[in-house]
Amino acid sequence: SAVISQKPSRDICQRGTSLTIQCQVDSQVTMMFWYRQQPGQSLTLIATANQGSEATYESGFVIDKFPISRPNLTFSTLTVSNMSPEDSSIYLCSGATGAGANYGYTFGSGTRLTVV
Amino acid sequence: GESVGLHLPTLSVQEGDNSIINCAYSNSASDYFIWYKQESGKGPQFIIDIRSNMDKRQGQRVTVLLNKTVKHLSLQIAATQPGDSAVYFCAENRSGATNKLIFGTGTLLAVQP
Repeated sequence: SAVISQKPSRDICQRGTSLTIQCQVDSQVTMMFWYRQQPGQSLTLIATANQGSEATYESGFVIDKFPISRPNLTFSTLTVSNMSPEDSSIYLCSGATGAGANYGYTFGSGTRLTVV
Repeated sequence: GESVGLHLPTLSVQEGDNSIINCAYSNSASDYFIWYKQESGKGPQFIIDIRSNMDKRQGQRVTVLLNKTVKHLSLQIAATQPGDSAVYFCAENRSGATNKLIFGTGTLLAVQP
């Protein structure tokens, strides 16, 4: 299965600033996703990163706040813009390989963000 | 809205006992389910999966059961070990255009030595 690396692994940021998280996969994946995991909670899907086109956002998440890029089949970035303490969370990248009904999903170790 | 949820947020078991973690899902159109294990500071790790055309699947020390009638999923861990202590999530896939995974609430499994 694919190996996913995220950078940075953690960061402490000032409110009002922005942070860009990078996700690198060691092989081509069909789909890439970004999740948020608040402390002690489950994973919530932010968006599907589409290669060469705008990401598809879930309800409650907007492009202005979480711009996403995916220039190729192995790399994606998520930016958390104009941060507030409520954005403190773990952000996880996921890659999916396969086609039709046969997908394998892999996750990175996450980026632990603290906004002060 | 649609959701995947778990019955037991915390499960404490003795080492060597069997563990059963439960999950309920709400969308009958879901056709693929995955159990993940997440240890502190790490991303979710795949344990086992099952498709909607099956009702049971076994792996090494783990078994997943799917009851589509009541939309219920369970993960059974045999001879639970201290290394099994983690948070366990079920995830639901609604195959089609998006193939995105929707995660359940999670259960913390604590194995007592």
